[in-house]
Amino acid sequence: DGGITQSPKYLFRKEGQNVTLSCEQNLNHDAMYWYRQDPGQGLRLIYYSQIVNDFQKGDIAEGYSVSREKKESFPLTVTSAQKNPTAFYLCASSIAASGTGEQYFGPGTRLTVT
Amino acid sequence: QQPVQSPQAVILREGEDAVINCSSSKALYSVHWYRQKHGEAPVFLMILLKGGEQKGHEKISASFNEKKQQSSLYLTASQLSYSGTYFCGTEWGYSSASKIIFGSGTRLSIRP
Repeated sequence: DGGITQSPKYLFRKEGQNVTLSCEQNLNHDAMYWYRQDPGQGLRLIYYSQIVNDFQKGDIAEGYSVSREKKESFPLTVTSAQKNPTAFYLCASSIAASGTGEQYFGPGTRLTVT
Repeated sequence: QQPVQSPQAVILREGEDAVINCSSSKALYSVHWYRQKHGEAPVFLMILLKGGEQKGHEKISASFNEKKQQSSLYLTASQLSYSGTYFCGTEWGYSSASKIIFGSGTRLSIRP
């Protein structure tokens, strides 16, 4: 079955540690995205990538980093520089980054940093 | 730059209708609508492109008014399964660098 997988579903970390969230898709989509969602709020774009080895900052990129070494993978690292990392993180993909493509979302990773 | 959704929340009885609005301060190229159930990933509903086209899927439809820079989502004869948070996402240009900016959502609760 085609889709997007994110792991783990729940992640707990101590403050000051970097943590990497996994996102894999087998839909053969060119574009991939990372969003952050806080309780009762919308989706805020962290980073997005339209093609392998290229990515752009979204609206809240500070304290995060990404890589896109393979078409199917787009891992997100939450660094210790992110001041409030506890949130629900969603990965998505679309056929292309431009105009008309719907985005397919993964099940999300809920990160708690204490 | 985030689109503004209204209302923020609405409570309906099963069978009633609802309208959710999404307004932008910038000219729009496209509007996307998604529904998210609690604790789950958002699910795509529909995309409306520049041109004022109205789209529909069973009892859920949407319109896109370019001139007013807004879109509305219509839920007719609501069912319990329609409960969730509805997000609009706006896109301002067709380009290789375009991205969707999502509104803060409208929480819809349907009661029997």
